Amino acid sequence: DQQVKQNSPSLSVQEGRISILNCDYTNSMFDYFLWYKKYPAEGPTFLISISSIKDKNEDGRFTVFLNKSAKHLSLHIVPSQPGDSAVYFCAASKGGTSYGKLTFGQGTILTVHP
Amino acid sequence: GAVVSQHPSWVICKSGTSVKIECRSLDFQATTMFWYRQFPKQSLMLMATSNEGSKATYEQGVEKDKFLINHASLTLSTLTVTSAHPEDSSFYICSARDHSFYSNQPQHFGDGTRLSIL
Repeated sequence: DQQVKQNSPSLSVQEGRISILNCDYTNSMFDYFLWYKKYPAEGPTFLISISSIKDKNEDGRFTVFLNKSAKHLSLHIVPSQPGDSAVYFCAASKGGTSYGKLTFGQGTILTVHP
Repeated sequence: GAVVSQHPSWVICKSGTSVKIECRSLDFQATTMFWYRQFPKQSLMLMATSNEGSKATYEQGVEKDKFLINHASLTLSTLTVTSAHPEDSSFYICSARDHSFYSNQPQHFGDGTRLSIL
């Protein structure tokens, strides 16, 4: 049972444009969400998170939007850079923080072309 | 920043061998560590939660006698894959939970171990 889903396996974007990565979840108990970036043969690197009490969180070029009613979150990267090319995972946890167990989506491969 | 070291990064061994993977928190104490497994082009799946000084908590479907976890100190957790078989070949990643200060990312990930069983 895949409780966190990233339905787009890959996304290709031109440098300077916006990248939008999507994530859906089914478990209404999830209340804290994170985005990670991962390169092959490396562990995930934290990007940005959002609590369910918010609908938007911004950090530099990265913005995460949360739509609780739709159980949907998205990561916007503006402007996209070639160095952003990686696999992006969304993750969810219960209890309002990332202290607990994380449930990951399948990942989306982002390729940013120069 | 907080660093988690995982060793070895890559191991190849024969079927039937037991393999130990270490996960160390280098500059913080980690009372809780998590072990994940990732198959190619799939998600990171949580295998177990490792608690310092107590037994690990395994996720449903994970054989605790197959994947032995020991968390004997606040900076080290080990995962031993016993009598490994080709189907155990995967990418294993640990994360450590940092209690020393408030952070929006108290879980810090190691770089993973690529395990290949021949």
